[in-house]
Amino acid sequence: DAGVIQSPRHEVTEMGQEVTLRCKPISGHNSLFWYRQTMMRGLELLIYFNNNVPIDDSGMPEDRFSAKMPNASFSTLKIQPSEPRDSAVYFCASKRTSGGASGELFFGEGSRLTVL
Amino acid sequence: ELKVEQNPLFLSMQEGKNYTIYCNYSTTSDRLYWYRQDPGKSLESLFVLLSNGAVKQEGRLMASLDTKARLSTLHITAAVHDLSATYFCAVDRGTSGSRLTFGEGTQLTVNP
Repeated sequence: DAGVIQSPRHEVTEMGQEVTLRCKPISGHNSLFWYRQTMMRGLELLIYFNNNVPIDDSGMPEDRFSAKMPNASFSTLKIQPSEPRDSAVYFCASKRTSGGASGELFFGEGSRLTVL
Repeated sequence: ELKVEQNPLFLSMQEGKNYTIYCNYSTTSDRLYWYRQDPGKSLESLFVLLSNGAVKQEGRLMASLDTKARLSTLHITAAVHDLSATYFCAVDRGTSGSRLTFGEGTQLTVNP
């Protein structure tokens, strides 16, 4: 089975540009999570969805960040406008929460964002 | 708010030695997970612990869960260089659709 698929794997952009990160969760998983990882702050949860509905976006740092999940197989995280402090690795993860699932979270390979 | 604390945050050990990483959490939960992350890589699931007293072993790693003490341990036996990585524990409240709360991570370096 394919795991969580993220794109792009690497993105270098200039300050002020719009950045869109994409994620395809594992088929059958009904919860999707966006995390950000930096050396200074570690692993931070930005937002998560359950059955395509945003449940908790309290980790989204500013209005410049937005996330959508239009269907069960696709999610985007958008930063507009981007700033150098947004440079980080952004992970998407998914899990199944129904049917006695273990709740184990599966991570994508991450999108490494550099904002110059 | 659920808090998850790992101890130690940095661990340097010699090959062949044993050591334990501790994970404490602040509120009731009976679901705990351990992940491994190699530099520049994603997080890989190591163990899923779903009940008090659960013990799982894979190779030189063994994880256990004591929900009464709100403590999980990851024990390393006869460490080898390949175990060098950052190890995270994560706790789930267990309700449907709930989030995992991660510890800060323990950066393990195994020296020859």
